[in-house]
This record gives sequence, C-alpha cells and structure tokens, in this order.
Amino acid sequence: QKEVEQNSGPLSVPEGAIASLNCTYSDRGSQSFFWYRQYSGKSPELIMSIYSNGDKEDGRFTAQLNKASQYVSLLIRDSQPSDSATYLCAVNRGRRALTFGSGTRLQVQP
Amino acid sequence: GAGVSQSPSNKVTEKGKDVELRCDPISGHTALYWYRQSLGQGLEFLIYFQGNSAPDKSGLPSDRFSAERTGGSVSTLTIQRTQQEDSAVYLCASSLEVGREQYFGPGTRLTVT
Repeated sequence: QKEVEQNSGPLSVPEGAIASLNCTYSDRGSQSFFWYRQYSGKSPELIMSIYSNGDKEDGRFTAQLNKASQYVSLLIRDSQPSDSATYLCAVNRGRRALTFGSGTRLQVQP
Repeated sequence: GAGVSQSPSNKVTEKGKDVELRCDPISGHTALYWYRQSLGQGLEFLIYFQGNSAPDKSGLPSDRFSAERTGGSVSTLTIQRTQQEDSAVYLCASSLEVGREQYFGPGTRLTVT
C-alpha cells in the first residue's frame, strides 16, 4: 500500500463546475497536509495547507480533512481552464519531510 | 520577498562526470529539502536539513549522492560518477521549520548522456 494515494486521472470537468480531488494516506500519525499544483514543466506550487479536521477555505479552493478516515480532499469551485494541472497531495508526520502522492491530472474543458 | 532559487536551471553532463547543484532557500527558513522528480513520476525525497541538526539522508539512493548546507543557508547537492538513471529534475524546497509549508524552487533539469 502506498503511503499517499491519489487517482492519477485525468479528471475532466467543464468550465465553471466544481472539481473534487481526493487523497488517502496510510500513516495515522500524519499531522499536516498540503495540496500543491504543478503545471507541466514547472515546479510544485503550494495551494493549501490543513492541520485539523474539517474544512478550510481560501478563495475558490476548499481543503477538507478527515483524520478518522485518513482522507483529505481539495475542492475547486468555478473551475477555469487555467486550473488544468496536476494536483499533488502531500502528508507530513511531525518532524519529517513530506510524502507526496503521485498526483491527479485535472483537465478543465472550456 | 525572494523565493527559493536554484542553479543551474539545466545541466547536461556525460556519464561518469560529477555534478553540483545549488539551492538558495528563502531567507529565514531553517529547513531545506531536496527532492527528485523523474519524467512523469512523483516527487522522491532525497535529504533534508533542519537548522544545526544532523541531516536526514534516508532518501539518498546511493553513496554517489551527497549534500551539504553551509552556514544554515545555501545547500549543494553533489552527484558523483553520474549515471543515465540520474537524469531527472532536482527540486529544492524550504520551510520555516520541518513540518510546515514547503516552498519549491524552479528546479534543475539534469540530463546524463
């Protein structure tokens, strides 16, 4: 079992729709959770961080964390073609480097 | 403020040569990380530094790889006797402290011919 699992996609949504990206993790001791966006040929860019159960909203983005289910998700409202990228889920267990999922490719159709 | 910078942006080297990759973290960030991303693959952790503590080298794939961080700031990743499988994008990131948000540099694309 991978430490951080994501559906590789592609996830295709029409412009203006809500994109829902999911991630599960295996280590119950994980304490901090991050979503990165990576455009082709570019480095990862931090979108959201979440540390406690529940929802965290920032503009069109909402991160959701459920530690009991070991599940973290990212919702993108009013999806735009410029949101088309690979989204990486990353998990940290205390004082260690991040463990990344392999990413979900999102395609927003105009 | 300035983000994480890396140099060179691209490096082409012959098999068997040594290479040095440089990372300059965000000012004030005590933690610095190196990752590797092969074409179409996820990020692979290599090594991280936290302040004056001993680095965590658990991700280094072989003893050909080493890294140092001088003065708690700039870091250099060295790959000796490069092999074709070392071809990848090498990414550096920094954070205020371990466990917090990491910010990535633009990466160095290494090609071993």
